[in-house]
Amino acid sequence: GENVGLHLPTLSVQEGDNSIINCAYSNSASDYFIWYKQESGKGPQFIIDIRSNMDKRQGQRVTVLLNKTVKHLSLQIAATQPGDSAVYFCAENTGNQFYFGTGTSLTVIP
Amino acid sequence: GAGVSQSPRYKVAKRGQDVALRCDPISGHVSLFWYQQALGQGPEFLTYFQNEAQLDKSGLPSDRFFAERPEGSVSTLKIQRTQQEDSAVYLCASSLGTGGMTEAFFGQGTRLTVV
Repeated sequence: GENVGLHLPTLSVQEGDNSIINCAYSNSASDYFIWYKQESGKGPQFIIDIRSNMDKRQGQRVTVLLNKTVKHLSLQIAATQPGDSAVYFCAENTGNQFYFGTGTSLTVIP
Repeated sequence: GAGVSQSPRYKVAKRGQDVALRCDPISGHVSLFWYQQALGQGPEFLTYFQNEAQLDKSGLPSDRFFAERPEGSVSTLKIQRTQQEDSAVYLCASSLGTGGMTEAFFGQGTRLTVV
């Protein structure tokens, strides 16, 4: 499959701090990206998406940044809460498939 | 239901046994995906349906894996003669649109353990 990887496999942050999770992708033709959150024993949950014609998109407490020049995606979580603890995946869309990276495990320290 | 539903949640199979995993997508969703997720890994694509048509099965690891969606709604993933390496969580996702450019919603998954 495509190479969608994450720079940091684990991340620990203090409650209330901001979190940044990074992702690199290899297919410059990919035109749609999604960040998913996966809690233990559950399926991936949609957080936010971005299309390739955008550089930035904001949601509630989350922001996704897309840098097509270096093929890099990031997820910023503002005021991180204990409920944000989970594994985060970026998914890259090519054709009918979504390619997922390995994931970053985020732990929020109360 | 409101979300994607998968059954069973857990399945233990003896090596060589056949299994069938069911996915009920969100009503009206055209696209349906199956993924395989090994422990500590991201989901890996298996196959894609647009309505009842299986448009992409490039991710199916062997001819022991078979998926169908005969009426364009419920889908079944069948694994014949299960092997230990088939142990994983099998995820189903559906989306309203086609071509992959729309939000895909995932079910809880079926955890298959082959002993």
